[in-house]
Parts: sequence; C-alpha cells; structure tokens
Amino acid sequence: NAGVTQTPKFRILKIGQSMTLQCTQDMNHNYMYWYRQDPGMGLKLIYYSVGAGITDKGEVPNGYNVSRSTTEDFPLRLELAAPSQTSVYFCASREGILVMNTEAFFGQGTRLTVV
Amino acid sequence: GQQVMQIPQYQHVQEGEDFTTYCNSSTTLSNIQWYKQRPGGHPVFLIQLVKSGEVKKQKRLTFQFGEAKKNSSLHITATQTTDVGTYFCAGPIDYKLSFGAGTTVTVRA
Repeated sequence: NAGVTQTPKFRILKIGQSMTLQCTQDMNHNYMYWYRQDPGMGLKLIYYSVGAGITDKGEVPNGYNVSRSTTEDFPLRLELAAPSQTSVYFCASREGILVMNTEAFFGQGTRLTVV
Repeated sequence: GQQVMQIPQYQHVQEGEDFTTYCNSSTTLSNIQWYKQRPGGHPVFLIQLVKSGEVKKQKRLTFQFGEAKKNSSLHITATQTTDVGTYFCAGPIDYKLSFGAGTTVTVRA
C-alpha cells in the first residue's frame, strides 16, 4: 500500500497563476484533510471531507477550493495564487466512520512558493 | 480559532535531560493523539489516549490524558538527538482533527 500520495512535491507559481495539488489514498479512508504549515508554525486546516461528495471548510479556506468525487482522491485547487499562499501543504486521511478514533496518515507534503 | 493549545512552542534541551510538553483543549475530547514531525518531514502518528487519566509509555516517552479529558502531556526522559523534531497533539473536534501549534525540540549534545 502506498498510503497517502501527494503530487507535486515542489512547485513555484507566479502571482495570479492557478494550480491543483493532488492527493490520493489507497486505504479506503472516509475522512480526508488538507492542512497548510507555514515555517515554524503548526498545522492549519484548510478543508476537510467526511466522504465522497461531502466537503467543508476548515480554519483557513479563503483562496482554495476542493472536491471529493471519489473516496480515493481529494484535490486542492488554488485560484489566483498569492504570496501569502507560500507554504507546505499536507494531505491526510483517516478511517473516521466505522472506527471513530483513528490515527491520521499524512502525505509527504507539497512545498509551494508563490513569487 | 485554534481550539487545541500547546506549550511551550520551543524546547531547547541538553542531551540526557528530561522535558515535558503540554496540550490543552477548550472542549472535552473523546481522545487525544500525539504526532512527531522530523525536520523536513511529515507528521507521523505516535499514540492515542482515550480514557480519562490514561497513561501510556513508549520507551522514554510517557503520555498522559487528563481526568477531565481536556488536557494532555508528553514527558520525554533522557533526551537523545533522535528526539529532535516537532511534537503535535491533536484532538477530534466535530469531524475535524484539530492540531496544536506544536513544540519544537532541539537537543544540545
């Protein structure tokens, strides 16, 4: 099993460009999350999903969009990139429904720089 | 705003010394989880505490869940250079997994 896979690992965007960060998991987990981590800071929740077709905003959703058309995939879309979106982005998943209290598995992260 | 608070933000430790990091929630938690993130890496699950007053040990690491299930602590004894990294606590609040800001540990040899 690959676990949680994020692509790309690194990306440099120009201000105003758009991109999609990909996240896929092969553990059949219901819950998926997108976090951003600024240098020396903690993890801030951007969006989350409790199952296919269901998404909801976290603490810092502005400037981002998500979709969850399948259980496996949870892409994060950045529209009109801004320097404030320079960060490391982590996707995570966990079981959630059948077993309420389960650990989260994280992807390797995407390091995004907006210039 | 952030509902899980963690202190201290930074911990500079002499190799061989002990230290403790603390986690507090604004709400009662069904469980608390601890993660470790090595420099340049991603968070990795360490342990989960579920019961009020629960104490669990992993070698030199001791984890405790408060009686009111609103606070937790991680105590590391005889710190080693392999303990370097950021330790996060996390609590499930609604369907979200809310992380504390983390305690970043550096070790002086």
